[in-house]
Amino acid sequence: KQEVTQIPAALSVPEGENLVLNCSFTDSAIYNLQWFRQDPGKGLTSLLLIQSSQREQTSGRLNASLDKSSGRSTLYIAASQPGDSATYLCAVRRGGTASKLTFGTGTRLQVTL
Amino acid sequence: GAVVSQHPSRVICKSGTSVKIECRSLDFQATTMFWYRQFPKQSLMLMATSNEGSKATYEQGVEKDKFLINHASLTLSTLTVTSAHPEDSSFYICSVGITGTDTQYFGPGTRLTVL
Repeated sequence: KQEVTQIPAALSVPEGENLVLNCSFTDSAIYNLQWFRQDPGKGLTSLLLIQSSQREQTSGRLNASLDKSSGRSTLYIAASQPGDSATYLCAVRRGGTASKLTFGTGTRLQVTL
Repeated sequence: GAVVSQHPSRVICKSGTSVKIECRSLDFQATTMFWYRQFPKQSLMLMATSNEGSKATYEQGVEKDKFLINHASLTLSTLTVTSAHPEDSSFYICSVGITGTDTQYFGPGTRLTVL
């Protein structure tokens, strides 16, 4: 059974800092890995999707890496801003579109002024 | 990306009543929809996978007679929580899988509170 863990569970940083969120998964036979953002009481917004054959994806200040063999992914946020405050979730998919996502435990990020 | 809506966004009901939550794919035909549940400060847990025109596939530990799922069209799936109890209070989120893409698009969620 796939298990996905995220460290740390919560993080508070001052504005402007660069930070790294970690995600680990127990079964390396994944199709892709996705990072999401969730604001309190809201749905999910997809940030980055990394296919199993890829090592990293970048979007603006966000960079996600994937080391499939070791079962790890990191989300790097550069020059953090208060608007980045949210819960970040990673999720892995075993198969194609119709296969389920297994979510991590989430990291609650707070960026202070 | 696809736009997914959920209705209602928030519902409060008395214990023992049934509640229906709708999930609509507004601009894509969705052959597959997923229903997740999220308890406070916890991650999303998949409840069931819904395929248009067929019975839903439930995850282990999810009671199919309590959480009725209907996916009668390519744009609408419904989740009915039957005889709701306070422990069913949670945040329910649906997602849509679009053929040919590798991602799912999520609805805004429905907050269910059972008194």
